[in-house]
Amino acid sequence: NAGVMQNPRHLVRRRGQEARLRCSPMKGHSHVYWYRQLPEEGLKFMVYLQKENIIDESGMPKERFSAEFPKEGPSILRIQQVVRGDSAAYFCASSPGQNQPQHFGDGTRLSIL
Amino acid sequence: AQSVTQLGSHVSVSEGALVLLRCNYSSSVPPYLFWYVQYPNQGLQLLLKYTSAATLVKGINGFEAEFKKSETSFHLTKPSAHMSDAAEYFCAVSVGATGNQFYFGTGTSLTVIP
Repeated sequence: NAGVMQNPRHLVRRRGQEARLRCSPMKGHSHVYWYRQLPEEGLKFMVYLQKENIIDESGMPKERFSAEFPKEGPSILRIQQVVRGDSAAYFCASSPGQNQPQHFGDGTRLSIL
Repeated sequence: AQSVTQLGSHVSVSEGALVLLRCNYSSSVPPYLFWYVQYPNQGLQLLLKYTSAATLVKGINGFEAEFKKSETSFHLTKPSAHMSDAAEYFCAVSVGATGNQFYFGTGTSLTVIP
């Protein structure tokens, strides 16, 4: 059974470029979550999605960040016009339902030059 | 509002000694509580979860945690530390009808001294 798959594992972008992070949930999981982890900090919730719907985006910055989970294909976290402060590890998690344990991918480490 | 506090960002124990990692939560409704472990350059792995059944929860790798409502605590313990236990540990709470948002503590880095 494949776990949560995130790619790429490492992503380097220059300031002003776009970053696209992909997440394929575990088989049978329809709930996807994105988190950001800064050095020496815990995980900060960004967004919660179900297929084709954004359920809770209270943790998403108002500008430059967007997320989607299309009917077919992986969930995408998109960061436009990246800045140095966007450098972090971004983790995706999936679960089969509410209040169920979330299963995490290995993350995408985004570095902004 | 929900929140999680992990006391002690760094804990060091000798190999074979008791491991105690503290977690206190704040929740206006009965919570779901979780402990996760993170090894370097990896995602989080679920250690154990509390979902209003037994207050003493046993997890993987010999870890267990006890839910104490009166103390709003969910401390993680292991009787005897092993070198392979060295990692970052996160406590998390999930609440509410939707239970979609997990609130994570800032983590405790466990060092095991040989």
